This record gives sequence, structure tokens and C-alpha cells, in this order.
Amino acid sequence: AQRVTQPEKLLSVFKGAPVELKCNYSYSGSPELFWYVQYSRQRLQLLLRHISRESIKGFTADLNKGETSFHLKKPFAQEEDSAMYYCAFSGRKYGNKLVFGAGTILRVKS
Amino acid sequence: NAGVTQTPKFQVLKTGQSMTLQCAQDMNHEYMSWYRQDPGMGLRLIHYSVGAGITDQGEVPNGYNVSRSTTEDFPLRLLSAAPSQTSVYFCASSYRATKLVGNTIYFGEGSWLTVV
Repeated sequence: AQRVTQPEKLLSVFKGAPVELKCNYSYSGSPELFWYVQYSRQRLQLLLRHISRESIKGFTADLNKGETSFHLKKPFAQEEDSAMYYCAFSGRKYGNKLVFGAGTILRVKS
Repeated sequence: NAGVTQTPKFQVLKTGQSMTLQCAQDMNHEYMSWYRQDPGMGLRLIHYSVGAGITDQGEVPNGYNVSRSTTEDFPLRLLSAAPSQTSVYFCASSYRATKLVGNTIYFGEGSWLTVV
């Protein structure tokens, strides 16, 4: 069963428009949620994690346990935000293993 | 620190051949793992290790072997390559093996493997 769902394979927005990359998870416990980003031909890197409650490169994500969601948001998209974004989670019964969603390609058009 | 280093970056194999993808980290990380990345499937865990001498299977271990004789190295072996193993492979490591909170997972640059 899919434990992390990213419903959009591709999200295309214009520069300056708001962005929301959706992520839903399935886990009966307290998950740890992450967003990873992969720019073209580069390695994956951590963008942010829910426990830090931080904003990185203008992106934020709030864990909504009621809706089991961890959507990634940015109020004004920039062209340099174009990349593949992966939502991932880990939970106690998964040890240190990260479970990834299928990923969403974000394309920011000028 | 070089971080997580993977070799080779690109490889073409014939069906039935074997090969080893190398992964090394110089950060004294306990935890190392291998993922494969396929379109529409995200990253799927192949094998992982929580320390030298300890390995375990992930989500898609069939057709792959690993060993962890040292803290630094975690090679991934393809025993008899099949076209279904055409993928991009990522090695990753993390300092603590017991929990992710507060510990970032670092990824290598990836290895593009094509099996014909």
C-alpha cells in the first residue's frame, strides 16, 4: 500500500505564482516528515523537516495530523525552484528508513 | 569532507553480467543505505546497514547483495543484471542509526545504470 502519496506528477506554475506541492501519508503513529529536493542532475538534498518548523528558500510545510498531510508551500515561485520534490516520512516501526513518495516535478515558467 | 561518494557514475551492462556499485562516506556515519529511483515510483530502499557487519533488506532487495565490512564502505552488488534493474541508484548515509530526528541523511550523486 502506498504510504506516501504525492498526487501530482507534474506541477507547472508561472513565476511569482503561489505553489503548493501535496503530500499525504498513511501511518498510525507519530511520523517524522521531510521534503527532499533534487535539482537537475544533482543529488537529493534535504529541504526541510516538520520537526524543525523552519522555512527554507521561502518554502514551508505544516504537518496536519487530522488530514495526514504535509503539503509544501511557497507564496511566490521562482524559476530556480524548478526541480523534483520528494515527500518522505519515517516512523518508529520503520527504524531509520525513509519512505519516499513518487515525487512531483515542479516547473516554474517565466 | 568529500561526503558520500559513488562510483561509477554511468554504466552499461549486458543481461547476466555482474557488477558492483561502490559507495564510500568519510563522515563516520553509522547508517548507510541504497535506493533506486524510477519514474513514477520515487525512491525505493534496496538494502541498508546500521553499522559495520550489519545489513538488512529494504523494500526491493531481490537481485542485489550488500556487505558492510567497514564503517566507510557499503558496496552494492548486482549478481546477474536484468533489464528491470535499469535505474538510477543512490547511496545515502546518516550519522546515527537509531533515529532520524536531528540527523540529516546525505545522498551521493547517483549512478546511472543501463542493462541491455
